[in-house]
Amino acid sequence: QVQLQESGPGLVKPSETLSLTCGVSGYSISSDSYWAWIRQSPGKGLQWIATIYHGGHTYYNPSLKSRVAISVDTSQNQFSLKLKSVTAADTALYYCARGGAQWWLNYWGQGALVTVSS
Amino acid sequence: QSALTQPPSASGSPGQSVTISCTGTSSDVGSYDYVSWYQQHPGKAPKLIISEVTKRPSGVPDRFSGSKSGNTASLTVSGLQAEDEADYYCTSYAGSDNAVVFGGGTKVTVL
Repeated sequence: QVQLQESGPGLVKPSETLSLTCGVSGYSISSDSYWAWIRQSPGKGLQWIATIYHGGHTYYNPSLKSRVAISVDTSQNQFSLKLKSVTAADTALYYCARGGAQWWLNYWGQGALVTVSS
Repeated sequence: QSALTQPPSASGSPGQSVTISCTGTSSDVGSYDYVSWYQQHPGKAPKLIISEVTKRPSGVPDRFSGSKSGNTASLTVSGLQAEDEADYYCTSYAGSDNAVVFGGGTKVTVL
């Protein structure tokens, strides 16, 4: 059973960098899968942030690309998200997910709420 | 890429059918059979219910079905049940920049 768990600070100051990690259990992160970050602002819809594919290929939402980095740590079986220069608009529930393709994600974490505030 | 367009709400009585549309462009929905649908109950993570326009993952009831015509994809929920009351999101591969774009979501209410 694949399980994903987000972790990281729940509060980040404006202009700083948001860092989140997604721990994966029950599945090797080195396998042929897509690993993604998606966020949901309070009361709003879903927004795709970034995806990393087996082999290290990365894909970013063009509207966030200049501020985002996604990476994999195979030794820890986890992947991470860094979003720099955050503002209040980046306050959201951040989900990590796994899928067989970028457009379908069949395993999701429970989400991590990140608030950007001084 | 712009978000896909979904109606904000839809409703139906138990046993009836409801269809949700998801309108994109020739750059995303219209160009690829890579449309997926997710169901999200309050306080829960999204759940994949349709992938690649029509494919239902294992365990998803066959009451859920997907289709596509031109730049518009649709999700139909037949035989509505109380547990189908949730938010539904469509998503599509957008090609350019290998991006993925989501719809704004549709709240389905079972009357």
